[in-house]
Amino acid sequence: EPEVTQTPSHQVTQMGQEVILRCVPISNHLYFYWYRQILGQKVEFLVSFYNNEISEKSEIFDDQFSVERPDGSNFTLKIRSTKLEDSAMYFCASSEMSTNQPQHFGDGTRLSIL
Amino acid sequence: AQSVTQLGSHVSVSEGALVLLRCNYSSSVPPYLFWYVQYPNQGLQLLLKYTSAATLVKGINGFEAEFKKSETSFHLTKPSAHMSDAAEYFCARPYYGNNRLAFGKGNQVVVIP
Repeated sequence: EPEVTQTPSHQVTQMGQEVILRCVPISNHLYFYWYRQILGQKVEFLVSFYNNEISEKSEIFDDQFSVERPDGSNFTLKIRSTKLEDSAMYFCASSEMSTNQPQHFGDGTRLSIL
Repeated sequence: AQSVTQLGSHVSVSEGALVLLRCNYSSSVPPYLFWYVQYPNQGLQLLLKYTSAATLVKGINGFEAEFKKSETSFHLTKPSAHMSDAAEYFCARPYYGNNRLAFGKGNQVVVIP
């Protein structure tokens, strides 16, 4: 069964550094998402992406965050200047269509900011 | 607010006993609803989905959920717990009119031998 893959599985970064999290969505999916889960808290929506542009973003997704689909397969999340509170598990997801469709998630990247 | 509520963060169940995880949604319009499972060090895997076709939904690994509009609930059950069911379970729904998912706080299921 096709799956969403994320790399790296664990990223340790110094505060203030830039970090790029990478995802390869399922190949025939058109909608891509990033979520995060801070330890002990709910899974939170960050951003959705369709047709090479952001379709929706949450209040968490401020100017420090950006997303990109640099080629036909990868989907990246960049955090420009990391803060301690960015430490979390980041999940990439994709879906065939938009509303009311289940999203398929990767295994996540655990981001630790020191 | 369009949300889902899961009560009780940790649920302990004996092997072979019924697993019951509760999820209630807030909305006047019956939403689409999903249950996801997260095994240790893994991502979120779709267990089952409610899309208004049938109120009793069967999923993977012997789980099922029943949509009850009168109770605004979508509780997840499995008749007989197995050790491999130890995981975290999340109820989720899309926000009306867009594609972001709202998740419940999750239930950490511990299976006691």
